[in-house]
Amino acid sequence: KAGVTQTPRYLIKTRGQQVTLSCSPISGHRSVSWYQQTPGQGLQFLFEYFSETQRNKGNFPGRFSGRQFSNSRSEMNVSTLELGDSALYLCASSPDFNNEQFFGPGTRLTVL
Amino acid sequence: DAKTTQPNSMESNEEEPVHLPCNHSTISGTDYIHWYRQLPSQGPEYVIHGLTSNVNNRMASLAIAEDRKSSTLILHRATLRDAAVYYCILRDHLGGNTPLVFGKGTRLSVIA
Repeated sequence: KAGVTQTPRYLIKTRGQQVTLSCSPISGHRSVSWYQQTPGQGLQFLFEYFSETQRNKGNFPGRFSGRQFSNSRSEMNVSTLELGDSALYLCASSPDFNNEQFFGPGTRLTVL
Repeated sequence: DAKTTQPNSMESNEEEPVHLPCNHSTISGTDYIHWYRQLPSQGPEYVIHGLTSNVNNRMASLAIAEDRKSSTLILHRATLRDAAVYYCILRDHLGGNTPLVFGKGTRLSVIA
């Protein structure tokens, strides 16, 4: 079974731009979660989608948004990028409630 | 969110057992104890989880104190591949899906 895939793997943007990251979960998994990892703050939860509905949201500004499609694939969008948004963005999928989460390799975003 | 406390770092010799401690004195009755690890340049991966009884799987064992205020992840024979950051996470299984809340974790170094 293929693992969680994330595209692109690396991205460089400038301040003020917006970015869209994509995540394809493991086949059959309906839950997709997004996390941000920085050296200073560690791993922080962004949001979680299940059957195209956002079920949980972390403490991030409204510039961070996401969505999930009917095939469970998910995208997250960051608008008006700031230098502090430079981070590794990780996507994780799971079959259902409170199951183990399977993480992708992440997208490394650099904001200049 | 219930909090966990882990040592910042630990060191082990290759092929020796490793005991990674975690304190969670404010754990509630519906909190499961989850362990994830993150190898260098990879997303986190699930290791093991439990509620009250000790648990074993192919990767590790989880020993849970009788009062549930602490737990220990046991790697029976450390290999170089086990060098990673290990996260102990409390996850409430009551009331729907809950996100993973990562702390700083324990950085495990394995010496050949």
